[in-house]
Amino acid sequence: AQKVTQAQTEISVVEKEDVTLDCVYETRDTTYYLFWYKQPPSGELVFLIRRNSFDEQNEISGRYSWNFQKSTSSFNFTITASQVVDSAVYFCALSENTNAGKSTFGDGTTLTVKP
Amino acid sequence: DGGITQSPKYLFRKEGQNVTLSCEQNLNHDAMYWYRQDPGQGLRLIYYSQIVNDFQKGDIAEGYSVSREKKESFPLTVTSAQKNPTAFYLCASSIRGELAKNIQYFGAGTRLSVL
Repeated sequence: AQKVTQAQTEISVVEKEDVTLDCVYETRDTTYYLFWYKQPPSGELVFLIRRNSFDEQNEISGRYSWNFQKSTSSFNFTITASQVVDSAVYFCALSENTNAGKSTFGDGTTLTVKP
Repeated sequence: DGGITQSPKYLFRKEGQNVTLSCEQNLNHDAMYWYRQDPGQGLRLIYYSQIVNDFQKGDIAEGYSVSREKKESFPLTVTSAQKNPTAFYLCASSIRGELAKNIQYFGAGTRLSVL
């Protein structure tokens, strides 16, 4: 069975601080996909990134970066120089290659960025 | 504009009543999903459908029913058998194919409350 754990329930930072959201996963599959989604107060989840299990390269997109480490089953998300607009709930998700597109989501981390 | 439309945004259910949540997509996606989100929790899968006229139970299907008569539409009925229906319901869709594999696109959600 697959599982995603986001141990940080809530994080509060002041604008311009860097913040890292942790994600640890469990799966028996050798091929799988990891995702991060953002849920702003409006409620609609927005896709941020997908990473497959064979690609351990870290990725940077503007102020966002992701660190995938298979050895520790982690897929952490860092926001550099946080802004108030980054305030949202962030979900990490896992999809196994064999499960017909279904994803298992973590419980989410609520990030509050104060001005 | 392509996207997923959920309606209504807010819905109230009386005791013993069945209610139906609408989900329509014009993205030409094959797969569609229904999730339930409770406060402070992640998304839990209710039902999903990979093709028209076929659907499977997710992790918490009891008390819910769905249909998939058209590719664009995947309505969810919350039946009277669902004793604790108050939650935020999210519909999602995804495209088949390796490049976009398992990335899900979400609607804005329906908030269901019991009167």
